[in-house]
Amino acid sequence: EVQLVESGGGLVQPGRSRRLSCIASGFAFGDYAMTWVRQAPGKGLEWVGVIRTKAYGGKTEYAAAVKGRFTISRDDSKSIAYLQMNSLKTADTAVYYCSRAHLLWFGEIYYGYAFDVWGQGTMVTVSS
Amino acid sequence: EIVMTQSPATLSVSPGERATLSCRASQSVSTNLAWYQQKPGQAPRLLVYGASTRATGIPARFSGSGSGTEFTLTISSLQSEDFALYYCQQYYNWPPLTFGGGTKVEIK
Repeated sequence: EVQLVESGGGLVQPGRSRRLSCIASGFAFGDYAMTWVRQAPGKGLEWVGVIRTKAYGGKTEYAAAVKGRFTISRDDSKSIAYLQMNSLKTADTAVYYCSRAHLLWFGEIYYGYAFDVWGQGTMVTVSS
Repeated sequence: EIVMTQSPATLSVSPGERATLSCRASQSVSTNLAWYQQKPGQAPRLLVYGASTRATGIPARFSGSGSGTEFTLTISSLQSEDFALYYCQQYYNWPPLTFGGGTKVEIK
């Protein structure tokens, strides 16, 4: 069974750090980009960032709201993706979902991602 | 950044009826658009990508159409399990990958 399981959420004070983990199983983890998407309470979905596969240099991209504060990494040997969150703000309060990024080509050199497998999410509450 | 706008915010439909959800992009995304379904307390589920290709295991009553800036998700005959939130997402011009604000399909 293809599965993603997030962990690491909880209550954290503003300005502090937190690391989320996403353990994958049931598929060849190293063959897929991985992404994080968050959802503030009662709000819509917001893309946080993506880490490409090693074949694509393992490069990362981030949303403007988290760039410079959040870092996505991966350990293909353990099938785990991480989201390191620093300098947390109350606006970062959300359920954080890890998802598998389905690579979609259009044209010879252009591609994008849809998210075809999702974890159950982990809640991060930033509050003093 | 490409802004995705969904309408209506809430759609009231009777079981067995057709539901038509709209998604508009602030600039052309060609057919590089996906749709997701989210039920309360659950993670989203991919329904459609490439504007019209159903994801694995998605029933045929879900169909996507459109290109450029205007897109539609149609649910041909609403079942009880289809009452949920629906989001569109573009992956043409990124970062960022952007979602619409969502349409809630509720029971009339």
